Amino acid sequence: AQSVTQLGSHVSVSEGALVLLRCNYSSSVPPYLFWYVQYPNQGLQLLLKYTSAATLVKGINGFEAEFKKSETSFHLTKPSAHMSDAAEYFCAVISGAGSYQLTFGKGTKLSVIP
Amino acid sequence: KAGVTQTPRYLIKTRGQQVTLSCSPISGHRSVSWYQQTPGQGLQFLFEYFSETQRNKGNFPGRFSGRQFSNSRSEMNVSTLELGDSALYLCASRAGNSNYGYTFGSGTRLTVV
Repeated sequence: AQSVTQLGSHVSVSEGALVLLRCNYSSSVPPYLFWYVQYPNQGLQLLLKYTSAATLVKGINGFEAEFKKSETSFHLTKPSAHMSDAAEYFCAVISGAGSYQLTFGKGTKLSVIP
Repeated sequence: KAGVTQTPRYLIKTRGQQVTLSCSPISGHRSVSWYQQTPGQGLQFLFEYFSETQRNKGNFPGRFSGRQFSNSRSEMNVSTLELGDSALYLCASRAGNSNYGYTFGSGTRLTVV
């Protein structure tokens, strides 16, 4: 079975500081990995995805994530936080071809302090 | 290109009633998935339809059902509503069998009173 663990349900950073949101996964087969962002009263917006093409994945709004198989991690980073980054972030996994459901982590709420 | 459209956006129902939610996928997308989001349980998979066939179902009681029409639009139905069914219900669509691109709608906020 696949699972996702997001460390830290709440993370606060100062505007301009590094954003680091942690995600660890478990999967018995090579996974597809995703980061989504959710703003209040909205759906999920895809930030980036790992599909085995490259271990460092760049997404929208300056976010990127690195797939580390040895650590089973897919942490999300952004060099400089902006007030508009305040939202909830979800890491998700699909375990290989033939699987059709996303398994999500519990989410990390990011606050940006001016 | 229009996104995933979910209707209605907000719904208030009484315990014991039934409800039907609708999802129109991105044009050309044949796969539609449904997820339930609650503060306690987070995002949980309900079911996935592809070309009118249910391919996968999550761990939910039989009160939760769905279907997909020939134009790929999907509906989910919840019968005999319980207070615990209050949630944000999200629909996602993707093209074909690719795992690359799930696009989510804005969701339907269901409140059961």
